[in-house]
Amino acid sequence: DAKTTQPPSMDCAEGRAANLPCNHSTISGNEYVYWYRQIHSQGPQYIIHGLKNNETNEMASLIITEDRKSSTLILPHATLRDTAVYYCIVRVVSNQGGKLIFGQGTELSVKP
Amino acid sequence: DVKVTQSSRYLVKRTGEKVFLECVQDMDHENMFWYRQDPGLGLRLIYFSYDVKMKEKGDIPEGYSVSREKKERFSLILESASTNQTSMYLCASSLTDRDRPAEQYFGPGTRLTVT
Repeated sequence: DAKTTQPPSMDCAEGRAANLPCNHSTISGNEYVYWYRQIHSQGPQYIIHGLKNNETNEMASLIITEDRKSSTLILPHATLRDTAVYYCIVRVVSNQGGKLIFGQGTELSVKP
Repeated sequence: DVKVTQSSRYLVKRTGEKVFLECVQDMDHENMFWYRQDPGLGLRLIYFSYDVKMKEKGDIPEGYSVSREKKERFSLILESASTNQTSMYLCASSLTDRDRPAEQYFGPGTRLTVT
């Protein structure tokens, strides 16, 4: 079972920031938080990851609470092409593959 | 850019047929994965491989087998296709985890219909 919970759906106006929450209250100290998204009819795409500190890359920012029990993915200026299902996943380092356990994700709709 | 390709985007097969789904990655990744995705059930891992000729069962391996004879290629085999194997099949690859979990790169998916 997935170790994360996310709202099933969210709306966001084009050009505004999209803030997608994720709860991972049972996360272990060595588990990383990863975010992927899946645009309709495509394979999932890696977005960003973090352990303790906040992270930013060209796609998004990741804010992790100090107790690490929740995090927020921020798309600073959402566009229509950001409409997708966003998955929050926790994972440890594994020496044999390391599978991803996908929950139901959040379906983000960016509206004009 | 990492590229993961799958042999077909759409496939229609008959019940009882043997089906091969091929996946190729071009980034010399050690790990490769096969998932299936169904509405309401999300993505579920079928099999994975962390080295050539090595394979490990995922969460739903029944009715499937895999083959990894070369590092870049990972094949999913449905020995005798059944209608409950109608699904979207996604292949992924990644490097071996080192100081942190490695991100997985996914192919575009194969939508398989078994009639």
